[in-house]
Amino acid sequence: DAGVIQSPRHEVTEMGQEVTLRCKPISGHNSLFWYRQTMMRGLELLIYFNNNVPIDDSGMPEDRFSAKMPNASFSTLKIQPSEPRDSAVYFCASSHDNRPRAYEQYFGPGTRLTVT
Amino acid sequence: GQQLNQSPQSMFIQEGEDVSMNCTSSSIFNTWLWYKQDPGEGPVLLIALYKAGELTSNGRLTAQFGITRKDSFLNISASIPSDVGIYFCAGQRSGGNQFYFGTGTSLTVIP
Repeated sequence: DAGVIQSPRHEVTEMGQEVTLRCKPISGHNSLFWYRQTMMRGLELLIYFNNNVPIDDSGMPEDRFSAKMPNASFSTLKIQPSEPRDSAVYFCASSHDNRPRAYEQYFGPGTRLTVT
Repeated sequence: GQQLNQSPQSMFIQEGEDVSMNCTSSSIFNTWLWYKQDPGEGPVLLIALYKAGELTSNGRLTAQFGITRKDSFLNISASIPSDVGIYFCAGQRSGGNQFYFGTGTSLTVIP
């Protein structure tokens, strides 16, 4: 079975540009999570969706960040305008809520974003 | 946000040695997950724990859900070079499917 798919794997962009990260969760999973990982702050939850609805976006740093999940198989995280401090690895993870293995999160390979 | 204290922060061990690491919290959790992350990759789920006191193994890895529900432990027996990586714990409280992640334990295995 395919795992969580993320694209692109690497993104280098200039400050001020718009960046869009993409995620395809595991088929059948109904929760999707966006994380950011940096050396300084570790793994931070940005936002998560359940059944395509945003449940908790309290981790989104500021209005420059937005996330959408138009359907069960696709989500985007957009940064506009990007800043150098947004440089990090962004992970998408998904899970389902069916017992017995409910809520186990499976991560994608990540997108390494560099903003110059 | 919720803090999970993971220790040790880093470990340097000889191949063949056993490894122990733990994760503690001030809150009670219903589920504990342990992940391993290799450089340039996403975290990979190793073990999931659902019940206080539960002891679960996955090959040379054994994890335990602490009785107080505020801690969890991961042991690796007879370490090998491919065990190198960063190990994360993650805990879930009741009432939601959000997990809180620990700060990670970096493991180096010296051949």
